[in-house]
Amino acid sequence: DTGVSQDPRHKITKRGQNVTFRCDPISEHNRLYWYRQTLGQGPEFLTYFQNEAQLEKSRLLSDRFSAERPKGSFSTLEIQRTEQGDSAMYLCASSVDTYTGELFFGEGSRLTVL
Amino acid sequence: DQQVKQNSPSLSVQEGRISILNCDYTNSMFDYFLWYKKYPAEGPTFLISISSIKDKNEDGRFTVFLNKSAKHLSLHIVPSQPGDSAVYFCAGQAGGTSYGKLTFGQGTILTVHP
Repeated sequence: DTGVSQDPRHKITKRGQNVTFRCDPISEHNRLYWYRQTLGQGPEFLTYFQNEAQLEKSRLLSDRFSAERPKGSFSTLEIQRTEQGDSAMYLCASSVDTYTGELFFGEGSRLTVL
Repeated sequence: DQQVKQNSPSLSVQEGRISILNCDYTNSMFDYFLWYKKYPAEGPTFLISISSIKDKNEDGRFTVFLNKSAKHLSLHIVPSQPGDSAVYFCAGQAGGTSYGKLTFGQGTILTVHP
């Protein structure tokens, strides 16, 4: 399967703990995106990378969130000192350099903060 | 501020009939509009897009119409099939270099009855 893969699929953690999600994009895609989706809402943009450079971060992304894409391949999204409001589905997507907005999404990593 | 709105949370149609999903937007800077489909436990998948300079784009059973003066777009599915049952999200992409940074609506749950 050569689609976007995310790990873990589901993470349950206690408030205050740190969590890290990993995303492996489609291999020839140089753009990688993180979105967050809460119940009853559409995905919300968090950040994106062009190769290893993080080009934009949403104002939604507090200082507790950090994302990396060290070698321009896989990416990690870390949330420090988790809060119950962080509970959501975290979606990763990748694309080639296209201006049409066609993204290929992974199945998501669901975070539950108790 | 909700830049993209899907005012119908759900839509139910009979197999073989037309499904019409609607979307309104407020951001005049959107240069592309897209529709994504999402099945349970899967990430969103790209369905069809339209450039802001066009008013119609067709791909098989799916047609998207754009009315810029009304800031409204719609997705027509003809004929509808039970396999089309899913959540449909419309999204807008602002112009410039931030392609792939999408603003999604809340989604419409489409149910197609056999």
